[in-house]
Amino acid sequence: NAGVTQTPKFRILKIGQSMTLQCTQDMNHNYMYWYRQDPGMGLKLIYYSVGAGITDKGEVPNGYNVSRSTTEDFPLRLELAAPSQTSVYFCASSYLKGQGADGYTFGSGTRLTVV
Amino acid sequence: EDKVVQSPLSLVVHEGDTVTLNCSYEVTNFRSLLWYKQEKKAPTFLFMLTSSGIEKKSGRLSSILDKKELFSILNITATQTGDSAIYLCAVAPSNTGKLIFGQGTTLQVKP
Repeated sequence: NAGVTQTPKFRILKIGQSMTLQCTQDMNHNYMYWYRQDPGMGLKLIYYSVGAGITDKGEVPNGYNVSRSTTEDFPLRLELAAPSQTSVYFCASSYLKGQGADGYTFGSGTRLTVV
Repeated sequence: EDKVVQSPLSLVVHEGDTVTLNCSYEVTNFRSLLWYKQEKKAPTFLFMLTSSGIEKKSGRLSSILDKKELFSILNITATQTGDSAIYLCAVAPSNTGKLIFGQGTTLQVKP
């Protein structure tokens, strides 16, 4: 059971480049999330999805896009990378609306640097 | 606007000390409060609290929630260098899947 798998683990982008952060879960969780973490700022929600075909904005969605064509996959797209998007990105999934010890599983994170 | 605030933001102690980390919140339709420990990678779950006054305990760590004062504390007794980490508090509003995180408290335990 792999849980939540994120790729890549590290990436350096030039300003204006685009990329997709991949996230896959094999737990049949209906909810999936993308967070970013900046030093001293905790985790901020970028986008989330309550099921295949349904996505919604979180707290800091500007500069990002998502899609949820299957239950398992929730990729995060950066179209025009900016230095402000330098951060650590975490994907997560849950089956009970974010509640409980087993209800919320994080991926191992992607460290992105935009130069 | 929903908000979670942690204090202090950083803390340096010596092994054997006891520490108390604080988390206050303002959230519409509160459902639960969660504590996480984050070392080098993803946050790992510590506690979930839903009811006031009921202490959750795991080894040297304990936590309690006060829903009247909108406040939770995380206590660590007899600290060890392995307790060095960022401690995150998060609140789950009802009827959403989202977690609202505080800024985190960075704890450093010196030998």
